Amino acid sequence: DAGVIQSPRHEVTEMGQEVTLRCKPISGHDYLFWYRQTMMRGLELLIYFNNNVPIDDSGMPEDRFSAKMPNASFSTLKIQPSEPRDSAVYFCASSYRDGYTFGSGTRLTVV
Amino acid sequence: GENVEQHPSTLSVQEGDSAVIKCTYSDSASNYFPWYKQELGKRPQLIIDIRSNVGEKKDQRIAVTLNKTAKHFSLHITETQPEDSAVYFCAACGSTLGRLYFGRGTQLTVWP
Repeated sequence: DAGVIQSPRHEVTEMGQEVTLRCKPISGHDYLFWYRQTMMRGLELLIYFNNNVPIDDSGMPEDRFSAKMPNASFSTLKIQPSEPRDSAVYFCASSYRDGYTFGSGTRLTVV
Repeated sequence: GENVEQHPSTLSVQEGDSAVIKCTYSDSASNYFPWYKQELGKRPQLIIDIRSNVGEKKDQRIAVTLNKTAKHFSLHITETQPEDSAVYFCAACGSTLGRLYFGRGTQLTVWP
C-alpha cells in the first residue's frame, strides 16, 4: 500500500485565492482526519469523517474552510478565500479502528 | 471530550542517557494510547502503542507504561542516539470512537 497520499506537497498562493488540498486514504480505512500544524498551535484537528460522513467539524476555523469526502478514496479541504494566517502544514490521516497513518502533508504558504 | 497534557515541552539529553516523556489524560474510558515521532519536515509516525489492559510494553530501546488509576502514561527511551531527536506526541483514544486526542508534543534533542 502506498500509504496516505496528499497533494500538492507545497502550495504557494496569494491572499484571496482559493486553495484545494487533496487526500487519498489507505484502502479499507474508514476514518479520515484533516489536521493543521503550526508552531504556535501544534496539531489541530479540523474535521474528521467516518465512512465518508463528516462527524465533527468543530475545529474548522471559519466558514472559509470546507471539506468533502465524496467517496471512500478521496477527500478535499478547501480554503476560500485564503489568508496569510492560513499558512501551515496540513496533514491528512486515515485509520481503521485505532492508530492513524498520516500523509506527508501539504505545506501551504499564503502571501 | 478527552484532554491530554504532555510534559516536558522540550527535553535535552546526552547521547546514551535515557529520556522520559509523560502524559496525563482525563477520560477514564480511554483505552488506547499511541506515541508518534515526527522528524523535522516529516509526517508523524507511530512508534509504539499500548492498550488499557496492559501496564507496560517494550520494543527494543523504547517502552511505554500506563497507569490507569492515575490516568497517566509515559514513553521511555533508553541509550538515546542523535537520530532519536524529534518531536514526540502522545495521544489517547477516548469514548469518542475513532478519534485520537493529541498532546502538544515534546521536542527531544539528543546531543552527541
